[in-house]
Amino acid sequence: GAVVSQHPSRVICKSGTSVKIECRSLDFQATTMFWYRQFPKQSLMLMATSNEGSKATYEQGVEKDKFLINHASLTLSTLTVTSAHPEDSSFYICSAENRGGGYGYTFGSGTRLTVV
Amino acid sequence: QKEVEQDPGPLSVPEGAIVSLNCTYSNSAFQYFMWYRQYSRKGPELLMYTYSSGNKEDGRFTAQVDKSSKYISLFIRDSQPSDSATYLCAMSAGFGNEKLTFGTGTRLTIIP
Repeated sequence: GAVVSQHPSRVICKSGTSVKIECRSLDFQATTMFWYRQFPKQSLMLMATSNEGSKATYEQGVEKDKFLINHASLTLSTLTVTSAHPEDSSFYICSAENRGGGYGYTFGSGTRLTVV
Repeated sequence: QKEVEQDPGPLSVPEGAIVSLNCTYSNSAFQYFMWYRQYSRKGPELLMYTYSSGNKEDGRFTAQVDKSSKYISLFIRDSQPSDSATYLCAMSAGFGNEKLTFGTGTRLTIIP
């Protein structure tokens, strides 16, 4: 089945530093990937849609200068949290659609970001 | 009003019981309906996918969609402790890189 690999699974960083999260589709090409944020005991909130070779589309209220998204190839999308602050601490998850494998969005395993 | 409403639970049932999980929605444009299972600190995994109204069965899981009532359900038969997880409903209006709208998730615990 389709696999989306997300790294790192957990990261702790100091306030003011930047953190990069990678999301790779391992056995399929993904022209579009989605980035979500999930707070404890809450649902997934879509942050942005990442499109290969073009700018990401951000949801209302998401700071595009703070959450930089790059989708440089058909198998890799990255989310960089710039100048991280404690309120950015959350669970970040990416997903991609494997069009060749029938319907279904495959999710990465998530990244737990803690900003101290 | 949220586009998708889901009772957050928590819901605890004894092993072997039938579990019923539900979501309601307000956007009549939704055509594709999914149920995801999420274990703690993991990404969601797709359990069931249904297009438009109807039922779909896969092993112990049955998904039902009633578009006229804007109501979807997931039934789990012969529940197992390994079914303990958070269950999220999700919906989209189209097929092909359409964004998903999620419910808040229901936290389910199966008691041995």
